Amino acid sequence: KAGVTQTPRYLIKTRGQQVTLSCSPISGHRSVSWYQQTPGQGLQFLFEYFSETQRNKGNFPGRFSGRQFSNSRSEMNVSTLELGDSALYLCASSLITPDDNEQFFGPGTRLTVL
Amino acid sequence: QQPVQSPQAVILREGEDAVINCSSSKALYSVHWYRQKHGEAPVFLMILLKGGEQKGHEKISASFNEKKQQSSLYLTASQLSYSGTYFCGTVTASGGYNKLIFGAGTRLAVHP
Repeated sequence: KAGVTQTPRYLIKTRGQQVTLSCSPISGHRSVSWYQQTPGQGLQFLFEYFSETQRNKGNFPGRFSGRQFSNSRSEMNVSTLELGDSALYLCASSLITPDDNEQFFGPGTRLTVL
Repeated sequence: QQPVQSPQAVILREGEDAVINCSSSKALYSVHWYRQKHGEAPVFLMILLKGGEQKGHEKISASFNEKKQQSSLYLTASQLSYSGTYFCGTVTASGGYNKLIFGAGTRLAVHP
């Protein structure tokens, strides 16, 4: 079956702009989580959605937001971009909760803020 | 509350063994291990659940000490394909929904 897909794969934006990233989970998976990855910081948890509801949120400012649609596809939005937002953004899907289930990661969207 | 991984980096010769540790300051519900190769997405290795159940990889083993809130990943007779960054993720019981939080990672390089 098809894996997790993320679009776009690469983005270049300037400070102050906003950006929307998209994630399509594996068919049948209802949970989608988002992570920010920067060198040395590991995978920083942004938020997790399950059946269109945000179940968990990490310690990121309100400029970072997300949503999940009825078909489980998810989007995350970053407004008023800052240089420090440059990172690889990964989404991961799991059948139900990621507490005790395998997560499948997408290839990521590399965001560069100039 | 990000789990703490040690060491930060390991260099091995093919065939050598390594242990990667993961510790938390909170009581753990489960510990997850993932490996990420350069330029690729993280890939699931295993989950260790409170109570002893283990799900995942056949050739890589791990332990979970609930009392010490620690987990260790054992890589024996390492192969070149083991190179990558290993992340542990911990789920701690909280008032709301459980949250999976990853550590900063351990970089492993296996040389011939």
